[in-house]
Amino acid sequence: GNSVTQMEGPVTLSEEAFLTINCTYTATGYPSLFWYVQYPGEGLQLLLKATKADDKGSNKGFEATYRKETTSFHLEKGSVQVSDSAVYFCALAFSGGYNKLIFGAGTRLAVHP
Amino acid sequence: NAGVTQTPKFQVLKTGQSMTLQCAQDMNHEYMSWYRQDPGMGLRLIHYSVGAGITDQGEVPNGYNVSRSTTEDFPLRLLSAAPSQTSVYFCASSYSSDRGHEQYFGPGTRLTVT
Repeated sequence: GNSVTQMEGPVTLSEEAFLTINCTYTATGYPSLFWYVQYPGEGLQLLLKATKADDKGSNKGFEATYRKETTSFHLEKGSVQVSDSAVYFCALAFSGGYNKLIFGAGTRLAVHP
Repeated sequence: NAGVTQTPKFQVLKTGQSMTLQCAQDMNHEYMSWYRQDPGMGLRLIHYSVGAGITDQGEVPNGYNVSRSTTEDFPLRLLSAAPSQTSVYFCASSYSSDRGHEQYFGPGTRLTVT
């Protein structure tokens, strides 16, 4: 079946450190891939997306590349800020169906000054 | 635009009680969905709708009913609440039901069933 696996958190970093949050997926066909972010007390909001292999999504200094050969969509940021502290969800929407998102379990990021 | 709004923000129910979680969007989106968020499990799809009058089941539909009489509103009904339904519920909407389109989430309803 379709599924998303994320690295377990929490991830704790100092400000200006490099961030990687791993995400791998299992899917039939060619899904679209997403990273959503949930700030404390809020709903989820789209951070970035990629709809086909080798696409790179980017936003607010975050990047992720759709790697079909490794079925991965790892999230990276070169220099994190305290304001990046949130829960990050990797998700896919599989082909052949409606825009139903399948989420990973989420990774909590805490950035300290 | 208010985006996606949900009421109430918090609710405590006793086992067996019923209630309706409200969801509304003012973006004229055709596609709407309900998710529940549980620790360590991410979000799971409960029900979704691709337009007024059309609904379908998601991954975890048991114990929940939905209807979609207007484009704007998509209420979620719990007919007989159970402790296993303690969760945070998110409503989302999207311009299109095609994959790849961004979904806009409401702020959530935290439900506790005792």
